[in-house]
Amino acid sequence: DIQLTQSPSSLSASVGDRVTITCQASQSISGYLNWYQQKPGKAPNLLISAASILQSGVPSRFGGSGSGTDFTLTINNLQPEDFATYYCQQSHSLPLTFGGGTKVEIK
Amino acid sequence: QVQLQESGPGLVKPSDTLSLTCTVSGGSISDYYWSWMRLPPGKGLEWIGYIHYSGSTSYSPSLQSRVTISVDTSKNQFSLSLSSVTAADTAVYYCARRITSGGYYRDDSWGQGTLVTVSS
Repeated sequence: DIQLTQSPSSLSASVGDRVTITCQASQSISGYLNWYQQKPGKAPNLLISAASILQSGVPSRFGGSGSGTDFTLTINNLQPEDFATYYCQQSHSLPLTFGGGTKVEIK
Repeated sequence: QVQLQESGPGLVKPSDTLSLTCTVSGGSISDYYWSWMRLPPGKGLEWIGYIHYSGSTSYSPSLQSRVTISVDTSKNQFSLSLSSVTAADTAVYYCARRITSGGYYRDDSWGQGTLVTVSS
């Protein structure tokens, strides 16, 4: 199985900050990585697919990069509605796996 | 805009079988793959498995001996069955649509989720 290690597991940030979340795969997954945002009591929302493709309707302050084993989700100008938990997911091979999540909290 | 809705019992006894159905509206189930995931309390997301509308399936190895996913195209529904449940199966269960472009798969539309508690 491909393990995905997210860091940090949680962070505190202020509105307007730039936030960076990393996701490291245990083996190369090329660009087969997705990012999801989940708010309490809500379903996950797909933000980015194929490592860097912003989904329709997702604000441009979200960005994804990386390939191989190292990936990054960046949120510029953090907004109040961005406080949530973020997960990476690899779709390179079965079984599909998620990272452990990064909780972004208000400082 | 496709919409998904999970339904099923919110309480299941230990050793019983958990059964959930996902109803798809706003689009045909006869395209794409359809997934089940879960979120245990205090933990991260876990992939359970998926099914193609043709009936082909793939399951998480950790659950494979207990899980069955099926599809009913006439009702635009797909279902999850998880046998011999324990407290560790307590979670919010989500169904989702799995799409691809250029070979890059992702789960782009999700149901709201349903909490299933395993307890006597």
